[in-house]
Amino acid sequence: DTEVTQTPKHLVMGMTNKKSLKCEQHMGHRAMYWYKQKAKKPPELMFVYSYEKLSINESVPSRFSPECPNSSLLNLHLHALQPEDSALYLCASSQSDRWDEAFFGQGTRLTVV
Amino acid sequence: KQEVTQIPAALSVPEGENLVLNCSFTDSAIYNLQWFRQDPGKGLTSLLLIQSSQREQTSGRLNASLDKSSGRSTLYIAASQPGDSATYLCAVRLGTNAGKSTFGDGTTLTVKP
Repeated sequence: DTEVTQTPKHLVMGMTNKKSLKCEQHMGHRAMYWYKQKAKKPPELMFVYSYEKLSINESVPSRFSPECPNSSLLNLHLHALQPEDSALYLCASSQSDRWDEAFFGQGTRLTVV
Repeated sequence: KQEVTQIPAALSVPEGENLVLNCSFTDSAIYNLQWFRQDPGKGLTSLLLIQSSQREQTSGRLNASLDKSSGRSTLYIAASQPGDSATYLCAVRLGTNAGKSTFGDGTTLTVKP
């Protein structure tokens, strides 16, 4: 099983809302990632968790707050977003953050209105 | 800073043709290079992973090569099919910053029946 599951698939939120994106994997992977992808652009790395500790934050605005409650779960908490934050948010995981194949979820399509 | 370039940006071929997609990178200090395909609005599907010590990997009709010294990788697709139509992305995992991958902009492939 090489599945990374993301929920919800679609999300529409207002600029004053608080919402969360969820990502789950049961492959025993110890590295998990959040990416943001705008239309016709490649994914851009946002955060990396390695062994449930935040190892990379790519200078992401504080209105995005990641959380890794355990080795299988990764959340992205959203608050006071802007319309330009509308994008496809992708979660990925790999056995380690170095040598191993990365597997991606199907993404959450976020629209901020 | 690692830069990853994919050429061509778009490619249209008749069904049955063999084709090559190119990926070049500027910093040869990499852990690995991974090829993905992405269908519109969907997540990334892993195709092949090549470690920095390897020269090539094969899976079915796909063959990926890596020449680290020249900073190049190619993805060869044999006997293309309409179902191969998608955007193909290469991602380079940096050897100097564990967890960080840099993506190329992708090649959008259309295989005409």
